[in-house]
Amino acid sequence: SQQGEEDPQALSIQEGENATMNCSYKTSINNLQWYRQNSGRGLVHLILIRSNEREKHSGRLRVTLDTSKKSSSLLITASRAADTASYFCATDPTGANNLFFGTGTRLTVIP
Amino acid sequence: ETGVTQTPRHLVMGMTNKKSLKCEQHLGHNAMYWYKQSAKKPLELMFVYNFKEQTENNSVPSRFSPECPNSSHLFLHLHTLQPEDSALYLCASSQEMGKSSYNEQFFGPGTRLTVL
Repeated sequence: SQQGEEDPQALSIQEGENATMNCSYKTSINNLQWYRQNSGRGLVHLILIRSNEREKHSGRLRVTLDTSKKSSSLLITASRAADTASYFCATDPTGANNLFFGTGTRLTVIP
Repeated sequence: ETGVTQTPRHLVMGMTNKKSLKCEQHLGHNAMYWYKQSAKKPLELMFVYNFKEQTENNSVPSRFSPECPNSSHLFLHLHTLQPEDSALYLCASSQEMGKSSYNEQFFGPGTRLTVL
């Protein structure tokens, strides 16, 4: 399987807390991307990390990538109720030319 | 607003109907994609077009028929669907397949399809 697998499947936290989601994959990749989806809507690209990068930041988002363990994590700091959504990792496997998405982590931020 | 629009947003159809989903992108991209999203399943890639040529057909049943008349428009023609085809159908676009390793995709809002 070329798709990533997110963990946990669901996460519920209080507003202001940090949220961490993990993604594991099995193939070599060009890059790994994180997307967000609000209920019943399309996916929105959040951040892309290349295979030669280890960490990347964008606002309150911090993504890490460990290619030796074939895993990535997405950290959302100081969460807000508006962060409630599903978060997907997508792998861009070497030579595949397509993205492969997992089943996502459903994050609920309680006000 | 991602620059990718889809119509209709909701569609209810019977198993004998014929309908079409439309996707349009205003981003100047050359690759377009159809995905199917069902509850508790990974996003399923259905079709890929690169410069109007179909490059991927992911073993999709023939009751789904894609059409890409130009790089900005993508259609999914539906006929004699089954209830299990009920799902959210997402369209996406990206700059170009195979040219770079970035392949960031921009998604439309989706069409929620219900087959009765």
